[in-house]
Amino acid sequence: DAGITQSPRHKVTETGTPVTLRCHQTENHRYMYWYRQDPGHGLRLIHYSYGVKDTDKGEVSDGYSVSRSKTEDFLLTLESATSSQTSVYFCAISASTYEQYFGPGTRLTVT
Amino acid sequence: EDQVTQSPEALRLQEGESSSLNCSYTVSGLRGLFWYRQDPGKGPEFLFTLYSAGEEKEKERLKATLTKKESFLHITAPKPEDSATYLCAVQAGTSGSRLTFGEGTQLTVNP
Repeated sequence: DAGITQSPRHKVTETGTPVTLRCHQTENHRYMYWYRQDPGHGLRLIHYSYGVKDTDKGEVSDGYSVSRSKTEDFLLTLESATSSQTSVYFCAISASTYEQYFGPGTRLTVT
Repeated sequence: EDQVTQSPEALRLQEGESSSLNCSYTVSGLRGLFWYRQDPGKGPEFLFTLYSAGEEKEKERLKATLTKKESFLHITAPKPEDSATYLCAVQAGTSGSRLTFGEGTQLTVNP
């Protein structure tokens, strides 16, 4: 998995609670991304980062925020989880603006 | 808006029976087309990047080709271990490092 870890790997939470997912890389890559994967939609970009403290929105960013205070860590926060945010979340990294390498994923269930 | 359509949604082959997967795309200025393999419960694994029409890349039993409107992933004499979901993604010149993914083709190779 190209030196990428995600934590936790599985989480069950209740509607309305805040949730933070962590992505950690050991490759020193500049770009980091958060995707969600759902049946019928494929992989969709939530937010991405092009450097420390530099982030931008993807196509499905509503309800999510991100932070990157160090090169190696990219955090995804659900401020108040909803059932529609039940999904599998993948972090990806890239050294340039081309191919991305994905982590193992986090399965999140919001009840 | 960038769009990626993959077909078929699912494909079942006998071991040794060659076939092709299709990825049709519309994008404003293609920078790159990417193929990934995804096994159940895992993150996508990078296979190929194609940059311009006419380009071809090979890896073991897989060969990816690119035209101005579509890409094909040819699988020659597949084995059961080639069973996976194959994802196609495009990167547009106007989208920075962001990728737009198709929904994938689920390939099953029976022994």
